[in-house]
Amino acid sequence: AQSVAQPEDQVNVAEGNPLTVKCTYSVSGNPYLFWYVQYPNRGLQFLLKYITGDNLVKGSYGFEAEFNKSQTSFHLKKPSALVSDSALYFCAVRDMNFGNEKLTFGTGTRLTIIP
Amino acid sequence: EAGVAQSPRYKIIEKRQSVAFWCNPISGHATLYWYQQILGQGPKLLIQFQNNGVVDDSQLPKDRFSAERLKGVDSTLKIQPAKLEDSAVYLCASSYGQLAEAFFGQGTRLTVV
Repeated sequence: AQSVAQPEDQVNVAEGNPLTVKCTYSVSGNPYLFWYVQYPNRGLQFLLKYITGDNLVKGSYGFEAEFNKSQTSFHLKKPSALVSDSALYFCAVRDMNFGNEKLTFGTGTRLTIIP
Repeated sequence: EAGVAQSPRYKIIEKRQSVAFWCNPISGHATLYWYQQILGQGPKLLIQFQNNGVVDDSQLPKDRFSAERLKGVDSTLKIQPAKLEDSAVYLCASSYGQLAEAFFGQGTRLTVV
């Protein structure tokens, strides 16, 4: 069965510093990987995805993520954090084995940017 | 383009009552999802449709939850009877296909008292 792990419930970063939110996955086939952000009382917003090609993908609001097949990871990064980046971040995966395309989410990481 | 529409936004019911949620996906999106998000947890997939057909409902508590997608467009999720542990936000999402990113509605916050 496919799964996603976000090992850190909470990440605190000073404004202006680089940030990393970690994600690892487990699938039997090839993964499609996604990052979403959730602000208070809002639905999830799509940030970026990896399907194939370049291991470094760029998304909305200056975020990027690096796919590492050997480490089965897809960490979210940003070079310089903003206070407005404070939110709940979710990693998600699809297993591309035919017949198992369901979208599975991790438990989330709360990112707090300290002014 | 219009986003995923859900109603109602909030619902409070007593345990053992029934409740229904409605979702209208983005036009042209064949795949529709219902997720349950309990406070402090990640979204849990309840059911995934591809057009009219069910792709996955392995985590849907079928003794009390049901969902349908009429004509491959709108969808309703029903709970009957509700339990206290059903208190959560119910999120509907849609995607162009099963491989594409999903777009989410704002959710329905259900409180069972």
